[in-house]
Amino acid sequence: AQSVTQPDIHITVSEGASLELRCNYSYGATPYLFWYVQSPGQGLQLLLKYFSGDTLVQGIKGFEAEFKRSQSSFNLRKPSVHWSDAAEYFCAVGADFGNEKLTFGTGTRLTIIP
Amino acid sequence: KAGVTQTPRYLIKTRGQQVTLSCSPISGHRSVSWYQQTPGQGLQFLFEYFSETQRNKGNFPGRFSGRQFSNSRSEMNVSTLELGDSALYLCASSLDGEPRGGYTFGSGTRLTVV
Repeated sequence: AQSVTQPDIHITVSEGASLELRCNYSYGATPYLFWYVQSPGQGLQLLLKYFSGDTLVQGIKGFEAEFKRSQSSFNLRKPSVHWSDAAEYFCAVGADFGNEKLTFGTGTRLTIIP
Repeated sequence: KAGVTQTPRYLIKTRGQQVTLSCSPISGHRSVSWYQQTPGQGLQFLFEYFSETQRNKGNFPGRFSGRQFSNSRSEMNVSTLELGDSALYLCASSLDGEPRGGYTFGSGTRLTVV
């Protein structure tokens, strides 16, 4: 069975500073990896996804993530955060071949300070 | 194209009652998945429907059920509501349910059980 760990429950960064959110996964085969963002009271918006190929993936809103198979990681990064990036971020792993669902991490809440 | 529509957005029910939530996927998408989000348990997979058939089911009691219609719209039902069923219920629309195609989430239905 697949699993996802987001070790940081809450991160605070200053506006304009760089950001890295950590995500580690466990899955027996090549994983399908996702990062979603959720603003309070809203649904999940897809930031980016990785299936295969280039291990550095570009997403929306200036986010990127790097897949590192050797470390079972898929960390999300942004060079300079904006106050509007304050939200909760979820990493997820997907499976196929009869097990089509997403398994989510517990999320990382991002606070931006001026 | 229109996104994923979940109705109603908010719902208040009394313990012991039953509730039905609705999800209209993106036009052309044939898979609908349901997730429950709570502060304590995070995002958990309920079930997935594809072409009116339930393909996968999460670890939830039989009080939670769903169905999908020929137009791909899906409903989920919770019977004999308990206080612990209070949650944000999210549905995800997908072309065929496979993670390669990605999942688009609706804004959710906030269920409060009193």
